Amino acid sequence: GAGVSQTPSNKVTEKGKYVELRCDPISGHTALYWYRQSLGQGPEFLIYFQGTGAADDSGLPNDRFFAVRPEGSVSTLKIQRTERGDSAVYLCASSKGSGTEAFFGQGTRLTVV
Amino acid sequence: AQSVTQPDIHITVSEGASLELRCNYSYGATPYLFWYVQSPGQGLQLLLKYFSGDTLVQGIKGFEAEFKRSQSSFNLRKPSVHWSDAAEYFCAVGMNYGGSQGNLIFGKGTKLSVKP
Repeated sequence: GAGVSQTPSNKVTEKGKYVELRCDPISGHTALYWYRQSLGQGPEFLIYFQGTGAADDSGLPNDRFFAVRPEGSVSTLKIQRTERGDSAVYLCASSKGSGTEAFFGQGTRLTVV
Repeated sequence: AQSVTQPDIHITVSEGASLELRCNYSYGATPYLFWYVQSPGQGLQLLLKYFSGDTLVQGIKGFEAEFKRSQSSFNLRKPSVHWSDAAEYFCAVGMNYGGSQGNLIFGKGTKLSVKP
């Protein structure tokens, strides 16, 4: 695609529910990143994929958060038992690989009520 | 631990005036440094990056930044600000995995307002 696509753009869910956020990277980009941006803050790193494998998942806050990228392209961020503190904009970015520019999607705004 | 500090939360400048946004970082190895801009409702857009070489880096939209290792700084500058530059600006350090770029650590951002 022309850019990084994230769906849905907005998601409202009830506390305790499970949500999935999808990221379609730019075609051919091997690296994919997930970030979380809370109001008034800079993006906070969650997880980084190189191909199908998670090269660095040190930013995932707890075991309620999980991400997959089974075919090395589309990635899904999964959040179990959502809490109000999970409300934020979740950003996805992709790049061709090491040392190249990462392109960001528009983000998914998650609101947990 | 790696960190990025943007000391100014909000800056207001007059249109046509010069601009400098400050960024200080803490990182043990040779840093990869970036400036991104985020306009309301828009995604993050890369303005410029420093990987190695010349410490004065030119970016898009007339922006430049200078890497000063002795001061652990990477300040963003523009000689003449336009009203369309009003946005939030983020400085970031890229993790260096043995020469390969990994994830980014962002500062909290500086919001720029431009007076007519």
